[in-house]
Amino acid sequence: DSGVTQTPKHLITATGQRVTLRCSPRSGDLSVYWYQQSLDQGLQFLIQYYNGEERAKGNILERFSAQQFPDLHSELNLSSLELGDSALYFCASSVRMSSGANVLTFGAGSRLTVL
Amino acid sequence: AQSVTQLDSHVSVSEGTPVLLRCNYSSSYSPSLFWYVQHPNKGLQLLLKYTSAATLVKGINGFEAEFKKSETSFHLTKPSAHMSDAAEYFCVVSDPGYSTLTFGKGTMLLVSP
Repeated sequence: DSGVTQTPKHLITATGQRVTLRCSPRSGDLSVYWYQQSLDQGLQFLIQYYNGEERAKGNILERFSAQQFPDLHSELNLSSLELGDSALYFCASSVRMSSGANVLTFGAGSRLTVL
Repeated sequence: AQSVTQLDSHVSVSEGTPVLLRCNYSSSYSPSLFWYVQHPNKGLQLLLKYTSAATLVKGINGFEAEFKKSETSFHLTKPSAHMSDAAEYFCVVSDPGYSTLTFGKGTMLLVSP
């Protein structure tokens, strides 16, 4: 158990629908990252939050949005789902080292299947 | 801009033989470098990290990586492969000042008996 909790583990839905993925970071970690992993695109960075504020944005579609709440848990909202959104969605939280590097701890992922 | 290239998409070894997974990086600064492992249907686990201290980094499960600035490489090695090492391995780079990490496309390690 990495300490990063993601729910649900599996989700099957239909095109056009909307889903919410939830992530609780490790205790004490203020940053939350979302990544999408698919066979054709590999691991793609979506978005990062730090203590409730958006810190960095990657290849996140406009149909996707995220937020981090005061208790530091985060939600990733995916709407108007398309077949191509089927993927593993990972959440990670981080601790910043003295060197300035961020070391990420990943959750087990949420597998989304869009039919 | 930071980027990372994993030179092999698949590596096959026999149990008990050495493992070499190759990674080259591109960075404008002195980067931090990581190797993560992903076992089937699991999340990513940190194997080891380089953050400008010793250039030879030891990780979990007997893995090591050496940072070579002149070659811009950070190859992952293990003297003797075990069946449980079969997984996908990701090389990752992070520039100072960038809060995000850039992942390579991954190398699938196959271990045969």
